[in-house]
Amino acid sequence: EAQVTQNPRYLITVTGKKLTVTCSQNMNHEYMSWYRQDPGLGLRQIYYSMNVEVTDKGDVPEGYKVSRKEKRNFPLILESPSPNQTSLYFCASSLYGGSWETQYFGPGTRLLVL
Amino acid sequence: KQEVTQIPAALSVPEGENLVLNCSFTDSAIYNLQWFRQDPGKGLTSLLLIQSSQREQTSGRLNASLDKSSGRSTLYIAASQPGDSATYLCAVQGYNNAGNMLTFGGGTRLMVKP
Repeated sequence: EAQVTQNPRYLITVTGKKLTVTCSQNMNHEYMSWYRQDPGLGLRQIYYSMNVEVTDKGDVPEGYKVSRKEKRNFPLILESPSPNQTSLYFCASSLYGGSWETQYFGPGTRLLVL
Repeated sequence: KQEVTQIPAALSVPEGENLVLNCSFTDSAIYNLQWFRQDPGKGLTSLLLIQSSQREQTSGRLNASLDKSSGRSTLYIAASQPGDSATYLCAVQGYNNAGNMLTFGGGTRLMVKP
């Protein structure tokens, strides 16, 4: 089944403790991205990747890092999480990121930073 | 900067009713507009994608229209069912968005009562 998977689905952590949220897709997509969803602010893009080893900042990249060493994986790294990073995170992918393409979203990771 | 607004924020209807969800956007320089459905714990599912050159798209009981010049889109749901209960999001992919980023509206939370 074609899908985008995220792990963990739920995470409670404390301020400053490094964490990684993994994202994997099995559709051989070149384009992947991360969004966060907050009440009243909608979904906002954090980082995106057009292909392996090619990443760039989205709208709200501060406090986050990403890497794209393999086509299928696009982990989101919070080196020193803070409470304002408490949010619902979504990973998304599409074949090339073209305007004609549907984007596929993962199930989300709910993060609470204490 | 592109802004996407959805009205109403919440809607409750009896089963069987036809309904319309509204989406408006401020910058008409878009590649496409997409409608997504968001279910708790299941991420976002793409419903319809309308290219900027198109006026509407249909899938089953769903029909989405796009009026780029006025910055509006509507999602029409015919003969609503309790299974349609979810949050519906519209998103635009604009010329001025880096990285094929989608700009999302805040969503309409729909409840269809049996």
